Amino acid sequence: HELAQPPSVSVSPGQTVTVTCSGDSLRESYACWYQQKPGQSPVMVIYQDTKRPSGIPDRFSGSASGNTATLTITGAQPIDDADYYCQAWDIRSHVFGPGTKVTVL
Amino acid sequence: QVTLRESGPALMKPTQTLTVTCDVSGFSLTTSGFCVSWIRQPPGKALEWLARIDWDNEEYYSASLKTRLKISRDTSRNQVVLTMTNLDHVDTGTFYCAAGRACIASAGLDYWGQGALVTVSS
Repeated sequence: HELAQPPSVSVSPGQTVTVTCSGDSLRESYACWYQQKPGQSPVMVIYQDTKRPSGIPDRFSGSASGNTATLTITGAQPIDDADYYCQAWDIRSHVFGPGTKVTVL
Repeated sequence: QVTLRESGPALMKPTQTLTVTCDVSGFSLTTSGFCVSWIRQPPGKALEWLARIDWDNEEYYSASLKTRLKISRDTSRNQVVLTMTNLDHVDTGTFYCAAGRACIASAGLDYWGQGALVTVSS
């Protein structure tokens, strides 16, 4: 993978968790983040590094600096338990990261 | 309401050519800014971006799979088709099509289909 993500992170309900995504392609590309629950299709939760699509709770936020993008879930809920994938949106390529399993317990 | 639905064979043999189709409804493939991508996911593994076709018919491919992939569209049917040649068992996975409303602005993939599972086995 051209992008690196931690394999897993855990958080207690109501606490804050961050997921990082790093790679050279992020220096010149926007990052998107997708949430995927078991047996379901991915859902975009952040695009253009920091923007939330309509309908995504405001506990999800994104930031980016240099070659690293970060997804933050503030006040994590049990329903946020899922895999999270970053994606570097280059002009010609849209590589995904290896994914991070976020466990809320 | 934008919906995407993938279809294709559930079982393929090694060396065969796979064709999967994405039926798009709720927007036209020629709408400025729109794009459709194909993404695959082996069982229990990560998402992998494969290819993209834009409203102006521009095509983009994964560098590692470019020689095996072809993305095309049928605007009369509002369908996007992906072909993958020379299949191997490692190509087994769920194939998703996904669409973005503002791809030129790097606004990601807003809409996803439910995916089509393709198993490659002799």
